[in-house]
Amino acid sequence: AQSVTQPDIHITVSEGASLELRCNYSYGATPYLFWYVQSPGQGLQLLLKYFSGDTLVQGIKGFEAEFKRSQSSFNLRKPSVHWSDAAEYFCAVGAGGGSYIPTFGRGTSLIVHP
Amino acid sequence: SQTIHQWPATLVQPVGSPLSLECTVEGTSNPNLYWYRQAAGRGLQLLFYSVGIGQISSEVPQNLSASRPQDRQFILSSKKLLLSDSGFYLCAWRAGQAGRETQYFGPGTRLLVL
Repeated sequence: AQSVTQPDIHITVSEGASLELRCNYSYGATPYLFWYVQSPGQGLQLLLKYFSGDTLVQGIKGFEAEFKRSQSSFNLRKPSVHWSDAAEYFCAVGAGGGSYIPTFGRGTSLIVHP
Repeated sequence: SQTIHQWPATLVQPVGSPLSLECTVEGTSNPNLYWYRQAAGRGLQLLFYSVGIGQISSEVPQNLSASRPQDRQFILSSKKLLLSDSGFYLCAWRAGQAGRETQYFGPGTRLLVL
């Protein structure tokens, strides 16, 4: 069975600082990996996704993530955080075919200090 | 392009009252559809998913039910709400061909049961 771990429940950074949110997955084959962002009271918005190929994936809003098979990780990064990035971030792993039910991590809450 | 709608955006209901939440998708046909719930401070819990009209799979036994009367409509219902049904309800649909599946989420419905 697949699983996703986001080890940090909360992360606090200063505006303008760099950001890295951690995500570790467990899956028997090549995973499909996703990062979503959720602002308060909103639905989840897809930031980026990885299926295959280049292990460094560029997303929207200046985010990127790197797939590291040897570490079973898919960490999300941003070089300079803006106050508007404060939100909940979810990592997910999926497998193709069938009914397609991805597994989500518990989320990491990002707090941005001015 | 595809869009997903949820109605209503916010709902306050007394314990024991019925519930009906609606999700509609535009711009696609025969999508996989999903209902998730987020309780306060917790991650995503998959409630139901549907691969077609009249086809519903339940992930968690509870007093909620789902129906799919039309190809692009997914309804979440309850005959008698419990306090524990309070939460944020998200509808999602699956996009992409096999091997490139991605979930996209609606704006959500905030339900408060008093």
